[in-house]
Amino acid sequence: AQKVTQAQTEISVVEKEDVTLDCVYETRDTTYYLFWYKQPPSGELVFLIRRNSFDEQNEISGRYSWNFQKSTSSFNFTITASQVVDSAVYFCALTFLAGGTSYGKLTFGQGTILTVHP
Amino acid sequence: EAGVVQSPRYKIIEKKQPVAFWCNPISGHNTLYWYRQNLGQGPELLIRYENEEAVDDSQLPKDRFSAERLKGVDSTLKIQPAELGDSAVYLCASSLRVVGETQYFGPGTRLLVL
Repeated sequence: AQKVTQAQTEISVVEKEDVTLDCVYETRDTTYYLFWYKQPPSGELVFLIRRNSFDEQNEISGRYSWNFQKSTSSFNFTITASQVVDSAVYFCALTFLAGGTSYGKLTFGQGTILTVHP
Repeated sequence: EAGVVQSPRYKIIEKKQPVAFWCNPISGHNTLYWYRQNLGQGPELLIRYENEEAVDDSQLPKDRFSAERLKGVDSTLKIQPAELGDSAVYLCASSLRVVGETQYFGPGTRLLVL
């Protein structure tokens, strides 16, 4: 069974602060993909990043960076110099690549509500 | 390139009434997903289509929910009759294929059952 845990329910920061969103996952599969999605107040889920289980190289993209550590089953997401427009609910998600009818299904965490104050 | 299109965006109905949601995926995307998102939670898969075939409907409450994707392009999700507990956001997503592909989501339909 797959499980994604986002322990932080809500985070509140002041603009320009750095913020890290935590994600811990459980899976018995050795081949899987991890995702981060952003859900602004408009409601649409916006794709941010995808990482496969064989690619532990961390990446920086503008103000966003990701820290994937297979040894601790964590896939954390950091926003540097946060802005008010970053306020949204952020979801971590997992999908596995084994056979069977359930592969391809995204298992989401509960989400972390990020509020960035001016 | 147009994204995933869903309609209506909002729907308010009385319990026991039927309701239908429509989704048009990104052009060329063979795989289509319907998710339900309850308030304060992450989305949960209801059904997945590969072309016109429903390959995973294990989470679909089949007594009242039905879905179709007749020509392998757009899809309709129906609830009949609706119950109070069906109030949620219904999200449609599509991907080019299934294995490891990114799922792109539509804006969702917010359903309120009174």
